[in-house]
Amino acid sequence: EAGVAQSPRYKIIEKRQSVAFWCNPISGHATLYWYQQILGQGPKLLIQFQNNGVVDDSQLPKDRFSAERLKGVDSTLKIQPAKLEDSAVYLCASSLVRWNTEAFFGQGTRLTVV
Amino acid sequence: TQLLEQSPQFLSIQEGENLTVYCNSSSVFSSLQWYRQEPGEGPVLLVTVVTGGEVKKLKRLTFQFGDARKDSSLHITAAQTGDTGLYLCAGVNYGGSQGNLIFGKGTKLSVKP
Repeated sequence: EAGVAQSPRYKIIEKRQSVAFWCNPISGHATLYWYQQILGQGPKLLIQFQNNGVVDDSQLPKDRFSAERLKGVDSTLKIQPAKLEDSAVYLCASSLVRWNTEAFFGQGTRLTVV
Repeated sequence: TQLLEQSPQFLSIQEGENLTVYCNSSSVFSSLQWYRQEPGEGPVLLVTVVTGGEVKKLKRLTFQFGDARKDSSLHITAAQTGDTGLYLCAGVNYGGSQGNLIFGKGTKLSVKP
């Protein structure tokens, strides 16, 4: 079974630029999460989708971050404009259904904002 | 906002030693999960504990869920260098419309040969 795929693996941008991350969850998984993991800390939930609907985006900085999950499969997370404090690893995870929260994670995208 | 506090934040031990990592919260969780994360990789699920007082064993790892479902511990017996990594606890709430997964900050374990 293929795992959660994320791209790119690494990205370096200047502050105020835009960046987008892509995630392809495990086939058939209805729930998709985006997490932000700052170095030395645990993952912080940014947004959770159930199929193509948003379940929880309470910690998403909506003035600069946006996410979508078209057709309930792939998802993209965008930052516009980026700030220095956005430097982190962005992890995508998926689970079969919302109430079975064994989450499978991708390798993440390491973002460096300079 | 529900918070999970993990302790210690860092732990460096010799191979063969035993250790315990703690995960505490003031909130009640429906279940609690433990993940292990290696550098450059995403977290990988080790175990899910659901019932208050539950104890689960995974080879040399023993996981316990507190009676009140607010805290958990991970005990490793005779640690090996392969146990090195970041150990994360994550609380799950099935209530309301969420069912989301909230992580602690993690315990970074280093096992030296």
